[in-house]
Amino acid sequence: NAGVTQTPKFQVLKTGQSMTLQCAQDMNHEYMSWYRQDPGMGLRLIHYSVGAGITDQGEVPNGYNVSRSTTEDFPLRLLSAAPSQTSVYFCASSYLRQGAWGNTEAFFGQGTRLTVV
Amino acid sequence: KNEVEQSPQNLTAQEGEFITINCSYSVGISALHWLQQHPGGGIVSLFMLSSGKKKHGRLIATINIQEKHSSLHITASHPRDSAVYICAPPEGSGGSNYKLTFGKGTLLTVNP
Repeated sequence: NAGVTQTPKFQVLKTGQSMTLQCAQDMNHEYMSWYRQDPGMGLRLIHYSVGAGITDQGEVPNGYNVSRSTTEDFPLRLLSAAPSQTSVYFCASSYLRQGAWGNTEAFFGQGTRLTVV
Repeated sequence: KNEVEQSPQNLTAQEGEFITINCSYSVGISALHWLQQHPGGGIVSLFMLSSGKKKHGRLIATINIQEKHSSLHITASHPRDSAVYICAPPEGSGGSNYKLTFGKGTLLTVNP
């Protein structure tokens, strides 16, 4: 049981390049989400998904695309990288239970440290 | 949006001291997470609690839903406890209560 796997762990991009951050989970979780973490700020939600074929925007979606073709995978695409996207990115997943949310533990990946030069 | 305030932002302690980190939030919710992040490392969920108190080894988390406040305590602190501790309530208590919001974290340094 691997939990949440993110790749790559580190990446350097040039401005304007595109890339995909991979996220996979093997726990059959419905809910998956992407966050970015910047110094002095809390984690901020980029995009999320409540199941295969369903995605929605979070707090800071501009410059990022997502898709959810399977329950297991939730890749994050940077279309044209900008220095402002230099950050640490985390993927997380959990079960999705209406009502008693307190039963849904969140699992995080190890993070991807992205630098855009 | 659930506004989350953590205090203190930075905390330095001597090994063996009792540590308390506080979290207040603005929107009533049914449960809350405490997360731990070691420097340069991933994020681990320590607790998920909806009422009262939970204990896991030397870590104790309490929550008062009515007062919109939670605390994380560490007894007999150890240098390996040095990390950032993050309070994360859900966005709200309604249909989107699976979406987390996050405090800015408390950086704890425990010196030997």
